Amino acid sequence: AQKITQTQPGMFVQEKEAVTLDCTYDTSDQSYGLFWYKQPSSGEMIFLIYQGSYDEQNATEGRYSLNFQKARKSANLVISASQLGDSAMYFCAMRGSYGGATNKLIFGTGTLLAVQP
Amino acid sequence: EAQVTQNPRYLITVTGKKLTVTCSQNMNHEYMSWYRQDPGLGLRQIYYSMNVEVTDKGDVPEGYKVSRKEKRNFPLILESPSPNQTSLYFCASSLSRTVSYEQYFGPGTRLTVT
Repeated sequence: AQKITQTQPGMFVQEKEAVTLDCTYDTSDQSYGLFWYKQPSSGEMIFLIYQGSYDEQNATEGRYSLNFQKARKSANLVISASQLGDSAMYFCAMRGSYGGATNKLIFGTGTLLAVQP
Repeated sequence: EAQVTQNPRYLITVTGKKLTVTCSQNMNHEYMSWYRQDPGLGLRQIYYSMNVEVTDKGDVPEGYKVSRKEKRNFPLILESPSPNQTSLYFCASSLSRTVSYEQYFGPGTRLTVT
């Protein structure tokens, strides 16, 4: 069965520091995609970054990077130079090739990040 | 602007009173899904649709219905809502079922059933 595990329910980080949000996954698919979404207190889901299972390089999008370690089945999100506006819930999600028929994303339980001034 | 819209954004209703949450996308996407979000559980798929008139159950379909009569619209119907359907609901769409294609989410509908 496909599963996403986020073991950090909540985290604090000082403004301007970097923070890593952990995500491990389990799948038997050879082809899969890993996503990170941000959910601010207003509730909307904001797409941050994507990593494909066959991508050899770690994905980066501005201050966001994904530390992809395929052998360890981990896809940690790194936010550099944290800002107050980064305070939000962060979800790791996966879509596998089996899940492609359902177009389903499997979500973790989320990590609540609080950025302190 | 490419977007997924949902209405209403907030809804408080009583047990048993039928309701519909609308979802519309303007990106000509084939694939659409409904998810519910509950604390400690993340988001779980309720129903999905691969195209007009093609829908199927996701992981938590009990108590819900959907329809896809037009490509852009994918309403979620609760025929007889119950308190355990109190949740935050998201509609999502994507161009393709290929693993790399991003899903675009609507703004969410916060439903309370008393």
